[in-house]
Amino acid sequence: GIQVEQSPPDLILQEGANSTLRCNFSDSVNNLQWFHQNPWGQLINLFYIPSGTKQNGRLSATTVATERYSLLYISSSQTTDSGVYFCAVEGGSYIPTFGRGTSLIVHP
Amino acid sequence: DAGVIQSPRHEVTEMGQEVTLRCKPISGHNSLFWYRQTMMRGLELLIYFNNNVPIDDSGMPEDRFSAKMPNASFSTLKIQPSEPRDSAVYFCASSGTGNTEAFFGQGTRLTVV
Repeated sequence: GIQVEQSPPDLILQEGANSTLRCNFSDSVNNLQWFHQNPWGQLINLFYIPSGTKQNGRLSATTVATERYSLLYISSSQTTDSGVYFCAVEGGSYIPTFGRGTSLIVHP
Repeated sequence: DAGVIQSPRHEVTEMGQEVTLRCKPISGHNSLFWYRQTMMRGLELLIYFNNNVPIDDSGMPEDRFSAKMPNASFSTLKIQPSEPRDSAVYFCASSGTGNTEAFFGQGTRLTVV
C-alpha cells in the first residue's frame, strides 16, 4: 500500500510564528486531505487537495502530485492551532491512508 | 446534515465482555470506514464498506472483531470478547463515490479493564 510520511513529527512555536508541515507519499494518489485533530480528539477537515493550492484564512495547502508531496502552511499561529495535523492520501482503492501526524504546540 | 454520528462517545468495560460501537454515516455517502487510533500504531484502517458491502477487512485484528452494515445509514463494530489491548479510540468515517472528502465522527473512546 501507499506509504505516507509526515515531517516534522513535533513542532513547538511561539504565537505569531509561521510554519510549514510536509507530507510525502510513495505512489500516485487520487485524493489527499489534511486534518487537524484538536486536543479533544476530534478530526477536523482542513483541506481536500489532490493537486494545486488552496487557502482558508491563515492556512493554506499545496499539493504537487507529480512530485508526491503536499505542504500545509500555517501563518501567524495561534494557541488554538495546537493539536496534531494529519495528511491522508487515497490511491486506487479510495481508502484514506494516514501518516503519523505532526504534533504542534503553540505557546502564548 | 449532522455529520457522522458515533455512539457511545465513551465506553468502559471489563475484559471478556462484548462491546458494540455504532455509526451513522452522512446521508448519501456510500463509503464507510472504521479506524482505530492508538499511540503506538496511529490511525489504522480496520474495515471499509462500499454500498453496504465489506470491501477490505484486512485491517481487522482478529476473529474477535466483526463489523456489519445492514443498511446505508447504520454500521456496527463489535468486539467479543474484549481485551485490555483493544483500548483505543475508534473512529467511523464516510465519503461519497470516488474523488470526495472523507468526514469523521467524533470517535468512541474504549477502555477495557
